[in-house]
Amino acid sequence: NAGVTQTPKFQVLKTGQSMTLQCAQDMNHNSMYWYRQDPGMGLRLIYYSASEGTTDKGEVPNGYNVSRLNKREFSLRLESAAPSQTSVYFCASGDRAETQYFGPGTRLLVL
Amino acid sequence: ILNVEQSPQSLHVQEGDSTNFTCSFPSSNFYALHWYRWETAKSPEALFVMTLNGDEKKKGRISATLNTKEGYSYLYIKGSQPEDSATYLCASSDSNYQLIWGAGTKLIIKP
Repeated sequence: NAGVTQTPKFQVLKTGQSMTLQCAQDMNHNSMYWYRQDPGMGLRLIYYSASEGTTDKGEVPNGYNVSRLNKREFSLRLESAAPSQTSVYFCASGDRAETQYFGPGTRLLVL
Repeated sequence: ILNVEQSPQSLHVQEGDSTNFTCSFPSSNFYALHWYRWETAKSPEALFVMTLNGDEKKKGRISATLNTKEGYSYLYIKGSQPEDSATYLCASSDSNYQLIWGAGTKLIIKP
């Protein structure tokens, strides 16, 4: 049972480049989430998907887009990366307000 | 948006001592309070989910209490061990089921 998986684990981008972070879960959860974590700050919600086919903005959605491809997969896209998007990105899954299960994280550096 | 605050921001504790720290959250529209343990270079892992006023949960040497009327939760660690060193996150969810995270308490156990 893999739980929540994320790819890549680490990425370096130049300003203006685009990339997609992939996330998949095998726990049959309805809800999936993308967070970013910056030093001295808590986890901040970027986007979430309460169920397959729906997505909603979180606290810090600007500069990101998401796709809930199916129940298992939820991707996060940076269309034009900026240095302010240097962060650690976590994907999580869960059901409504129940426990969330986190992936291993993606460390992104934007130069 | 809810505002979840944790204190202290960091804490150094001698091995063998007991300790506790606080999570405060707005009590209006409260649904659940979550505690997570986050070790460096790993993903957050769930410790407890509590929903009812007066709830107490325990897992080994770690326990938590919940007061929904005044909007606070305490996490207790008895007889601290080096492996307890981590950042402890709390998150509150409201009736919309979104988790709002505190910035965490970083616990360092001194041998």
